[in-house]
Amino acid sequence: DIQMTQSPSTLSASVGDRVTITCRASQSISSWLAWYQQKPGKAPKLLIYKASSLESGVPSRFSGTGSGTEFTLTISSLQPDDFATYYCQQYNSYSRTFGQGTKVEIK
Amino acid sequence: QLQLQESGPGLVKPSETLSLTCTVSGGSISSSSYYWGWIRQPPGKGLEWIVSISYGGSTYYKPSLKSRVTISVDTSKNQFSLKLNSVTAADTAVYYCARSGRYLGLIYFDYWGQGTLVTVSP
Repeated sequence: DIQMTQSPSTLSASVGDRVTITCRASQSISSWLAWYQQKPGKAPKLLIYKASSLESGVPSRFSGTGSGTEFTLTISSLQPDDFATYYCQQYNSYSRTFGQGTKVEIK
Repeated sequence: QLQLQESGPGLVKPSETLSLTCTVSGGSISSSSYYWGWIRQPPGKGLEWIVSISYGGSTYYKPSLKSRVTISVDTSKNQFSLKLNSVTAADTAVYYCARSGRYLGLIYFDYWGQGTLVTVSP
């Protein structure tokens, strides 16, 4: 399986801050990476696919970049609704794997 | 709007079989464009993809779970089901059903069920 490693595991930030989360793959996955947001007790929600394509209905303050083995999710101006846990997921193969998650907390 | 809903027992005894069903509404499970899958999340931990199936029965399994997992689809009921045998406490998790695309560039999960907690305990 391809291993996905996110950093940091926890991030403390304030409303209005620019936030960046990194996801690294153990081997090249081209641009086959998705990002999800999960709030407590809820299912994950797709934010970004193909590394940088914004899912319909997702605010434009979310953006994704990267290819190969290194990827980033950026929230340009953190909003109260954005405090959640974020997961990356590779789909370079049918054996899909997720990162361990990054929790974005209120500072 | 597509909706997925998991159902099944919330408590399973060790060594027994966990059985869950996902009912799809607002769309047909028989679309050739999609696969239907199961993902789980142990309490306080991350997400783990388990298995996916097409309406025609083509399957992909997480290799480490393949020997214990059975997935099936019932197009007449617009449902698909998961069976995980020989469960242990390590299988305690919230189980989600979800939809993904069929082809490699599209196999991220765009629709999810709300999840159901399954606890393995005597």
